[in-house]
Amino acid sequence: EIVLTQSPGTLSLSPGERATLSCRASQSVSSSYLAWYQQKPGQAPRLLIYGASSRATGIPDRFSGSGSGTDFTLTISRLEPEDFAVYYCQQYGSLWTFGQGTKVEIK
Amino acid sequence: QITLKESGPTLVKPTQTLTLTCTFSGFSLSTSGVGVGWIRQPPGKALEWLALIYWDDDKRYSPSLKSRLTITKDTSKNQVVLTMTNMDPVDTATYYCALTGIAAAGTRFFDYWGQGTLVTVSS
Repeated sequence: EIVLTQSPGTLSLSPGERATLSCRASQSVSSSYLAWYQQKPGQAPRLLIYGASSRATGIPDRFSGSGSGTDFTLTISRLEPEDFAVYYCQQYGSLWTFGQGTKVEIK
Repeated sequence: QITLKESGPTLVKPTQTLTLTCTFSGFSLSTSGVGVGWIRQPPGKALEWLALIYWDDDKRYSPSLKSRLTITKDTSKNQVVLTMTNMDPVDTATYYCALTGIAAAGTRFFDYWGQGTLVTVSS
């Protein structure tokens, strides 16, 4: 089973700042089958990024994904008030597993 | 418009079997490449994938929970059913169903999710 480790656990930033979230896999994720989701309190997760770097439909271009192999990054170029949430990475190359999440909170 | 909705009991007793139903619309589970999965989230904790069933009845289970899970589909009713045996308080969670393979055949990320249903395990 591929284990995903996200860091940091919590990121305290101000609106307008850049957020960089990390996701590290215990083994290589085949074909960059790595996705990122955003979850707000009381809501279901929302797909942001798939294939490590492709934005899902309707996702603003301030969200970008990069990486391959075992190291992946989600970058939010300039935080908007609605971006403060929990973010999960997920691999879907070998069954499915999620990371433990990174909370982006207002500083 | 694609929608998924989970239904089932909100409270189950320890050792009981949980049965959850995902009722969906806007797509067919007989379309090649499409799958419906179940994911759960204990209060304040991370997401955990449980099981998934594909259009061709191929099934996948989480290795750690495989012995307790069964996933089935009823294409005519647009439903996917998950059963989990021997429920324990640690299984208290919001259970989501989600769709994969609709963006393009062979894709396996979850691009549509239900709203989730909270299941509490307590005597």
